[in-house]
Amino acid sequence: DGGITQSPKYLFRKEGQNVTLSCEQNLNHDAMYWYRQDPGQGLRLIYYSQIVNDFQKGDIAEGYSVSREKKESFPLTVTSAQKNPTAFYLCASTLDRNTEAFFGQGTRLTVV
Amino acid sequence: EDQVTQSPEALRLQEGESSSLNCSYTVSGLRGLFWYRQDPGKGPEFLFTLYSAGEEKEKERLKATLTKKESFLHITAPKPEDSATYLCAVRGLIQGAQKLVFGQGTRLTINP
Repeated sequence: DGGITQSPKYLFRKEGQNVTLSCEQNLNHDAMYWYRQDPGQGLRLIYYSQIVNDFQKGDIAEGYSVSREKKESFPLTVTSAQKNPTAFYLCASTLDRNTEAFFGQGTRLTVV
Repeated sequence: EDQVTQSPEALRLQEGESSSLNCSYTVSGLRGLFWYRQDPGKGPEFLFTLYSAGEEKEKERLKATLTKKESFLHITAPKPEDSATYLCAVRGLIQGAQKLVFGQGTRLTINP
């Protein structure tokens, strides 16, 4: 079945550590996105990539980094510079500029 | 700046009691308005895409409509399994790129 796989589902991190969230899609979609969701708030865009080896900052990119070396993969690294990293992280992809986004099941990151 | 505002924040209905959720938006060059359903701890599930004012889409008990400034998600004779958070998003053209901007969602509860 085609879809977007995020792993792990739950992640715990100590303060001061970097952590990488995985996102893989087998939908052959060109564009991929990372969003952050906090309770009572809408999804906020962290980074997006429209083609391989190219990505752009979203609205809240500070403290995060990404790479897009393969069409299928768009990992997100939460660095120690991110001041409030505890959140629900969602990865999404779109076939092209005009179609809907499909989401993974999310990774819940907790800083302990 | 593109903005999406959803109302109400939360809505509690009795089973069979029809109602509507509102999504007001401002966007530079609408490239689509999207409705999603999100269950707790899960990623958003795509429902509808609307592209132009006057357009309507239906799926089971849900009907989405679009004007130049807002969209409505009408829920007819809802059932408890329709309980979820409903998210609205718009895609606009920003500096040559297209990004999805989300509202904060409406949390819908259907009591049996």
